[in-house]
Amino acid sequence: EAEVAQSPRYKITEKSQAVAFWCDPISGHATLYWYRQILGQGPELLVQFQDESVVDDSQLPKDRFSAERLKGVDSTLKIQPAELGDSAMYLCASSLSEGLGGYTFGSGTRLTVV
Amino acid sequence: GENVEQHPSTLSVQEGDSAVIKCTYSDSASNYFPWYKQELGKRPQLIIDIRSNVGEKKDQRIAVTLNKTAKHFSLHITETQPEDSAVYFCAALIQGAQKLVFGQGTRLTINP
Repeated sequence: EAEVAQSPRYKITEKSQAVAFWCDPISGHATLYWYRQILGQGPELLVQFQDESVVDDSQLPKDRFSAERLKGVDSTLKIQPAELGDSAMYLCASSLSEGLGGYTFGSGTRLTVV
Repeated sequence: GENVEQHPSTLSVQEGDSAVIKCTYSDSASNYFPWYKQELGKRPQLIIDIRSNVGEKKDQRIAVTLNKTAKHFSLHITETQPEDSAVYFCAALIQGAQKLVFGQGTRLTINP
């Protein structure tokens, strides 16, 4: 079964440091999403890509967060500088651009900011 | 924007009994409603979904119902087992935007 790959699985960083997460979607999935899941809550969309273009980044804190998907395949989410409140699970998901369903999550990166 | 409300936040049932989780959504243009199961420290896993042209869907012990008029949908788990213990999330897909909006989650505990 095809999977969405994410790395690292776990990351501990000090506040004010930079941190980056990587995601490789399922082959052929044009749409890629980054979600943030705070412990005890549902995933919240940070940014959505269609191929290499950002479709929705309305919930992305752009003063410290950035995301790119330069070749329309894998993607990187960066936080600089990290703050204590950024501690969460960062989930990547991908889907086919047409039709419904086929929305698959990666294993996530659990970030702890100390 | 779309808002999805999920209830209850916690649910505890005896093994063998049924569990029901309910969600409401705000955007009438939503047309796809998946349910995810998330075990501690793991990714959300799709367990069942329903599209807006269907009122009910069943897969073994799991069923989902959709009431488009009232804009609510529910997850039903029958003959619950200890391995059903997890956090369950409902979601609604905004048509055209291909964006899933999630509920707040329900922590389901099955007591042996």
